[in-house]
Amino acid sequence: SQTIHQWPATLVQPVGSPLSLECTVEGTSNPNLYWYRQAAGRGLQLLFYSVGIGQISSEVPQNLSASRPQDRQFILSSKKLLLSDSGFYLCAWDNRNSPLHFGNGTRLTVT
Amino acid sequence: GQQLNQSPQSMFIQEGEDVSMNCTSSSIFNTWLWYKQDPGEGPVLLIALYKAGELTSNGRLTAQFGITRKDSFLNISASIPSDVGIYFCAGQLDFGNEKLTFGTGTRLTIIP
Repeated sequence: SQTIHQWPATLVQPVGSPLSLECTVEGTSNPNLYWYRQAAGRGLQLLFYSVGIGQISSEVPQNLSASRPQDRQFILSSKKLLLSDSGFYLCAWDNRNSPLHFGNGTRLTVT
Repeated sequence: GQQLNQSPQSMFIQEGEDVSMNCTSSSIFNTWLWYKQDPGEGPVLLIALYKAGELTSNGRLTAQFGITRKDSFLNISASIPSDVGIYFCAGQLDFGNEKLTFGTGTRLTIIP
């Protein structure tokens, strides 16, 4: 069966520090991969999606970037965090045979 | 772009009551999905609908794919405390080949 792993679960970072969140999927090949952000009590905002290695589409202009160095690995990064980057970050995957499934999320607090 | 209107935004019910929520779209979808999110966790897929008119159940949950392909409904019967959370609908035109469009969520609270 397919599983998605996302880490860390929680992160507290100072303003101006770098960020790296990692997500990996197991049990499937060539998944579509997604990064969403969710503000407290709000809906799901799509940040990036990828249909293959090295292929990244950005949905909103922001201080963040994404990379896909391997088929089942998706990384969310920032060179310098802003206070407004705080939120709940969710990785997700799907493909032609499976609807979208989410990871457990990373709670990021920028102080 | 496409927009999903999900209603109600929030619900306050007593344990044992039935719950109904819905999503409507300005354009058609070929797939409707319903998710539940518990506090501090990622959304979990509850029900997937792939055909207009389809009615699918998952325990006490029942969801329907509207015949016009522009709406979907989720019903929860005999609510229990663990039903508390945020429910999201999502639509997709080309399954597995494009990003989902999500509703804004329905927050369900059970009054003791």
